[in-house]
Amino acid sequence: AQSVTQLDSHVSVSEGTPVLLRCNYSSSYSPSLFWYVQHPNKGLQLLLKYTSAATLVKGINGFEAEFKKSETSFHLTKPSAHMSDAAEYFCVVSVRRSNDYKLSFGAGTTVTVRA
Amino acid sequence: DTEVTQTPKHLVMGMTNKKSLKCEQHMGHRAMYWYKQKAKKPPELMFVYSYEKLSINESVPSRFSPECPNSSLLNLHLHALQPEDSALYLCASSHSWTANTEAFFGQGTRLTVV
Repeated sequence: AQSVTQLDSHVSVSEGTPVLLRCNYSSSYSPSLFWYVQHPNKGLQLLLKYTSAATLVKGINGFEAEFKKSETSFHLTKPSAHMSDAAEYFCVVSVRRSNDYKLSFGAGTTVTVRA
Repeated sequence: DTEVTQTPKHLVMGMTNKKSLKCEQHMGHRAMYWYKQKAKKPPELMFVYSYEKLSINESVPSRFSPECPNSSLLNLHLHALQPEDSALYLCASSHSWTANTEAFFGQGTRLTVV
């Protein structure tokens, strides 16, 4: 079975300091992995995706993630947090079933940014 | 145009009402999705349409009825809902229904059943 585990339910950082959101995945196949962000009462926005090309993936708004097969991880980082980064973040794996696919979401990590 | 547009943004309905949620995209995407999201939880897949055909129904109760009139539009018809159906309903689309294709999400419809 394919799934993702987000290791932190809540992360609090000071503005201007680095952000690290941790995600581990399990997959029988070469996975497709995504990070999405959701601001309060909004839809989900794609930050970045990994689909077996470069292991270091750069996304929007200064975010990047590194795919580490040996550690089955896909952690999201940003060098310097901004107040606008306060949101819910979801790590997502594309799950291959017998005849179809679906996105499997992690439980989410809430990020708060202190001024 | 890289948007998925959902209407209405907010909806309050009684348990005997019939209402519809609408979703529209003009990106030429051939896969469209309905998700349900409860507070503080990740989205849960309800339905998948691929090339205007219903491809996945994740055991959703029949009081939710999806419809895909054409490749740009997706509706969700609601009838005899329960208070526990109150949630944020998200529509999404993707270029195709494949493993490595990202989904684009709308802003959602906040549904309250009274």
